[in-house]
Amino acid sequence: GQQVMQIPQYQHVQEGEDFTTYCNSSTTLSNIQWYKQRPGGHPVFLIQLVKSGEVKKQKRLTFQFGEAKKNSSLHITATQTTDVGTYFCAGHSGGYQKVTFGIGTKLQVIP
Amino acid sequence: DTAVSQTPKYLVTQMGNDKSIKCEQNLGHDTMYWYKQDSKKFLKIMFSYNNKELIINETVPNRFSPKSPDKAHLNLHINSLELGDSAVYFCASRSGYGYTFGSGTRLTVV
Repeated sequence: GQQVMQIPQYQHVQEGEDFTTYCNSSTTLSNIQWYKQRPGGHPVFLIQLVKSGEVKKQKRLTFQFGEAKKNSSLHITATQTTDVGTYFCAGHSGGYQKVTFGIGTKLQVIP
Repeated sequence: DTAVSQTPKYLVTQMGNDKSIKCEQNLGHDTMYWYKQDSKKFLKIMFSYNNKELIINETVPNRFSPKSPDKAHLNLHINSLELGDSAVYFCASRSGYGYTFGSGTRLTVV
């Protein structure tokens, strides 16, 4: 079955440093989504990428979808303490209804 | 107005008991899901319903039974609870875009 691998699993950064999490799928994806889960909270949808090579920005967050539509990344510039949480990618392939989540990257920002 | 609401938020129960978690969405979405998040934060899909019809039924013990009385509600009933069922259970709904998750039910089996 489809596997979505996400690295790193944990990342500690000093406030102001950049952060990147990577997601790789074993199969070609129709689209990929990113979610953020704050400690004690629930996953919150951030963005969906659909097109090969697509790049989208949300303030300090930059999302990329690979040319082969098998990998994606989330980059945060100049992290802040409000960025703390676990970031999940979620890949869709084949059927519309099912998505496979990556294991998540837990980000800690040291003030 | 909470978009996806699930109750209860916390559930502590003894092994062997039967319990239910309720979920309601007011977004008008056709598709609803149950996800289990274990202690390592891994999100695993359990079930999905589209307009009251079961469309995804992952490898889940048959002690878990979802029920969707209408497209706005998806409940989860668990029989004969085991220690390994302890986790956070998230209900979610989906339009053509992203998932909207409920705030979760933290189930602790003692």
